[in-house]
Amino acid sequence: DGGITQSPKYLFRKEGQNVTLSCEQNLNHDAMYWYRQDPGQGLRLIYYSQIVNDFQKGDIAEGYSVSREKKESFPLTVTSAQKNPTAFYLCASSRTPLRDTIYFGEGSWLTVV
Amino acid sequence: AQKVTQAQTEISVVEKEDVTLDCVYETRDTTYYLFWYKQPPSGELVFLIRRNSFDEQNEISGRYSWNFQKSTSSFNFTITASQVVDSAVYFCALSDVTGTASKLTFGTGTRLQVTL
Repeated sequence: DGGITQSPKYLFRKEGQNVTLSCEQNLNHDAMYWYRQDPGQGLRLIYYSQIVNDFQKGDIAEGYSVSREKKESFPLTVTSAQKNPTAFYLCASSRTPLRDTIYFGEGSWLTVV
Repeated sequence: AQKVTQAQTEISVVEKEDVTLDCVYETRDTTYYLFWYKQPPSGELVFLIRRNSFDEQNEISGRYSWNFQKSTSSFNFTITASQVVDSAVYFCALSDVTGTASKLTFGTGTRLQVTL
């Protein structure tokens, strides 16, 4: 099946630890995105990538890092510098970076304990 | 700056009732796209519709219909004869196409609860 796969679905992290969320897509999409969702709020853009080996900061990039070494993969690292990391994280992709529908994965719940 | 407002935080209806979810947006762009997504309890955002700013024709897809009015900057979503499976959070979003990548600005969502 074609789609966007995020793992893990649920993740617990101790304060001070980095954690990496995986996102893989087999849709052959050029662009990929990471969004964060907090309860009762809309989604906010963390990072996006238009092509391999290129990525840009979104609206709330502080405390996060990404890489795009392969077209199908866009992992997100939540670093210890992120003050409020507990949230729902959604990965997304679109066929082209511009004027195209953005499709989402199933999301990953990150809880800091 | 772009903004999407979904003033209805939560709506409860009884099955078979019609329900309209409101969406009002702000943008300085002349070309833009509007979207509706559904987020069931599982968490995934499911794409429902995309509308180009130049196309104000209303759209109907089964029990779903969308009313786009540029004059009032609104893109409302109506579910006819609602069903329990329609229970979810619905997000309206606006796409920025003036930059180098499509980025979505989301509203805060409307939680729809359909009961028997």
